[in-house]
Amino acid sequence: ILNVEQSPQSLHVQEGDSTNFTCSFPSSNFYALHWYRWETAKSPEALFVMTLNGDEKKKGRISATLNTKEGYSYLYIKGSQPEDSATYLCAFEGSGGGSTLGRLYFGRGTQLTVWP
Amino acid sequence: DVKVTQSSRYLVKRTGEKVFLECVQDMDHENMFWYRQDPGLGLRLIYFSYDVKMKEKGDIPEGYSVSREKKERFSLILESASTNQTSMYLCASSLWTGTGDQNTEAFFGQGTRLTVV
Repeated sequence: ILNVEQSPQSLHVQEGDSTNFTCSFPSSNFYALHWYRWETAKSPEALFVMTLNGDEKKKGRISATLNTKEGYSYLYIKGSQPEDSATYLCAFEGSGGGSTLGRLYFGRGTQLTVWP
Repeated sequence: DVKVTQSSRYLVKRTGEKVFLECVQDMDHENMFWYRQDPGLGLRLIYFSYDVKMKEKGDIPEGYSVSREKKERFSLILESASTNQTSMYLCASSLWTGTGDQNTEAFFGQGTRLTVV
């Protein structure tokens, strides 16, 4: 099974703190790296899909970077708010080789809790 | 808006019953997926399909089968429900990876919480 690792498993921060999480994935046969936010009682929603090494994407206070050569991506949240509390999932999408085309390989997620 | 709709939000079934979970998407996506989500285990892929009548096993296909007779519909079948299949089931769809410079983000349904008693 292709391995996608996320760390930390959970994180508790105070409102206003900035935080970041890591996603590690295979550095070969890369097509895209996805980030999703999954709030309690809702469905996962895509934050970013990144395809190019060195890619940086931003949506409001959330940003992500991608290093395909070493196989990692960081998700940053600046000035965390209670509404940012959710599980953040990353998923590797391969271009074949050791991965099945079309399939997303999810990490187990980082559960973020932001205290007011 | 892309929509992925699962037929039931909550379902209670008896052990041994045959259970059908239905999923429909309206974006003409090639890929459709069935996942289950259990505490501490993340999203685990049961089956996915990249075209009508095509399917691939995921990581935990045992006890499940799928059907994709039309592009927009992907059904998950529990042949004989067991209590260890009590879980949250999520359906998703996306564009096919091999179509070049496409955004292949997955769109998820609202989930079906299945309880097998």
